[in-house]
This record gives sequence, structure tokens and C-alpha cells, in this order.
Amino acid sequence: ETGVTQTPRHLVMGMTNKKSLKCEQHLGHNAMYWYKQSAKKPLELMFVYSLEERVENNSVPSRFSPECPNSSHLFLHLHTLQPEDSALYLCASSQVGTGVDTQYFGPGTRLTVL
Amino acid sequence: AQSVTQLGSHVSVSEGALVLLRCNYSSSVPPYLFWYVQYPNQGLQLLLKYTTGATLVKGINGFEAEFKKSETSFHLTKPSAHMSDAAEYFCAVSTMEYGNKLVFGAGTILRVKS
Repeated sequence: ETGVTQTPRHLVMGMTNKKSLKCEQHLGHNAMYWYKQSAKKPLELMFVYSLEERVENNSVPSRFSPECPNSSHLFLHLHTLQPEDSALYLCASSQVGTGVDTQYFGPGTRLTVL
Repeated sequence: AQSVTQLGSHVSVSEGALVLLRCNYSSSVPPYLFWYVQYPNQGLQLLLKYTTGATLVKGINGFEAEFKKSETSFHLTKPSAHMSDAAEYFCAVSTMEYGNKLVFGAGTILRVKS
């Protein structure tokens, strides 16, 4: 595997389900990000982990819970979601501390909440 | 604060014609500027970036962009459009002042007519 991978690619869940999204980066980076991409809205940064510590949480509802067990893996745990949470969830990684942080994105998980 | 405006949510060109996608940014400090492309049901792929130095930046797939500080612009061009260029394009800005956080424009959907 190369680059940034995300699983699953598609997920349909009910409002009472609990599920997790997984992201893995194979680039040797030290920062990882979760973004939400909804139709007709700009990309929204949700969480940032740098050196495995959460450094940003952009007022995201508590029904989204991130986890970064090491610099290569990032999870987004989902529970009691709402239909408006249906979106494409993108993971990205970058190497911070080297000047310009260039973010590289995974293919995304298309989430549908029924 | 930093922001990005992409003029035109949809652009349509004929195959072989010039592609011009417009991006204007707002930043109180020297910016880093990026163009990403997103094909249907995929993540964002980095096309090119400007950090410092030469203001004309060449990227993948024949695209290039020119940083014009006086116009606060970073327009994306390609001399001859291919059908495979049909996608959504995102301009983004980051600065060291804001921790290199990427701020994205709303995106421009490029349609290529045969």
C-alpha cells in the first residue's frame, strides 16, 4: 500500500449504530487530519493530530470521537449520528516541522446515515 | 484571517481549449498556495503548490499556476483541455501564522465538452 488509505470506502449506518472509520498513512508523516466534505459546502477541518497528540478540535460534536494510536493510524469513532452527518470523510497526513506542511489525502469514506 | 475565493463554481470548456480556473486569496502574511483536484468518488490529489521563489509553478498533468502578489491571485491554467481533466478543483491557502492550517475554497467543477 502506498500513500494514504481509508477503510471502509462506503458505510451506511442507522442513527443508533456505532461504527469506526480507519485511516492509515504510508508516507512516514507525523501529522494526521480528519475533514468532512458535504455537498455544496467547503471542506471542514474536524481534527488534527500532530506527533500523536490532538492539537485541534474544531467544535465537532461529541458523537465524533477521534483516536490516534500511533503516527501511522487514525480512527474516527461514530455513535448516534444524525442524517446531516452524511458526507464524505477525508483523512490526510503531512510532515510538520519542515517548513511547508503539504497535506496528502486518502480516497475518503462515503458515509450515509439513515 | 486567511481565506480563498474561487470565481465560478462551474467552468465548461471544449476539448483542446484553454483551461483557466480562478483563485484569489486573502492573507496578511506571505501565503503558501495549493491546487488540488478531486475526481468523482475519490479524495483530493495535489496538483501543484507555491511556497517561495519562482512565481510560475508547474504541476502534474500539464497544469500550471502563477502567484501574483499584487493581484492576490493564484489562477490555474492548462493550454489544452483533455476529457480526463473533468473534475472538481480546489484552491487552498496556508500560512505559518496560522500553523500551516489549510483553508480551502469552495471548489470549481470543470466540465470538458467533446
